[in-house]
Amino acid sequence: DAKTTQPTSMDCAEGRAANLPCNHSTISGNEYVYWYRQIHSQGPQYIIHGLKNNETNEMASLIITEDRKSSTLILPHATLRDTAVYYCIVRSSRGNDYKLSFGAGTTVTVRA
Amino acid sequence: KAGVTQTPRYLIKTRGQQVTLSCSPISGHRSVSWYQQTPGQGLQFLFEYFSETQRNKGNFPGRFSGRQFSNSRSEMNVSTLELGDSALYLCASSLAAPNTGELFFGEGSRLTVL
Repeated sequence: DAKTTQPTSMDCAEGRAANLPCNHSTISGNEYVYWYRQIHSQGPQYIIHGLKNNETNEMASLIITEDRKSSTLILPHATLRDTAVYYCIVRSSRGNDYKLSFGAGTTVTVRA
Repeated sequence: KAGVTQTPRYLIKTRGQQVTLSCSPISGHRSVSWYQQTPGQGLQFLFEYFSETQRNKGNFPGRFSGRQFSNSRSEMNVSTLELGDSALYLCASSLAAPNTGELFFGEGSRLTVL
């Protein structure tokens, strides 16, 4: 699976949009981009995933560049409960490999 | 819909003992994966089961083992515990089809080895 690069940490003001970048320059054609987050002392929570097109759900939006080498997770109106470690993961869609390779993630702190 | 349930939530063992952790996946989910999370190594994949068969395995010693039952419930076992096995052990379930399905994690079992 392709490796990802994320900033170590970032702050965000409550009520503002949080834009979390992720670099995955070695991504291959059959690999999806997944985002998970982990709130302190809880299991990781799925947020969103995409292949080529931008995706949106009730939690967030995922913007993938045309060359697919990077993506941005957008939390449209951050709240204090969005404070968490956010993981960007690239995973192949082939075969029966359900393994996720987590990196260090981005620690997001939402401030009042 | 009930989420992924892991038991016990907390446990304390001593070196040399063994431990068994249990995971009940979301109803209808047939794939169960296990992860170890430590402050130093982060989240690391242990193994994944589907229809009672181990399909994928991470880079952990043979002291770490698991199994899955016909009802998709899974257990993992760690024998001859070492201090470094202290960690949060997370279980995740998935529909297993399509392959792009997301994983749903439990809240974990926190193991402390003294």
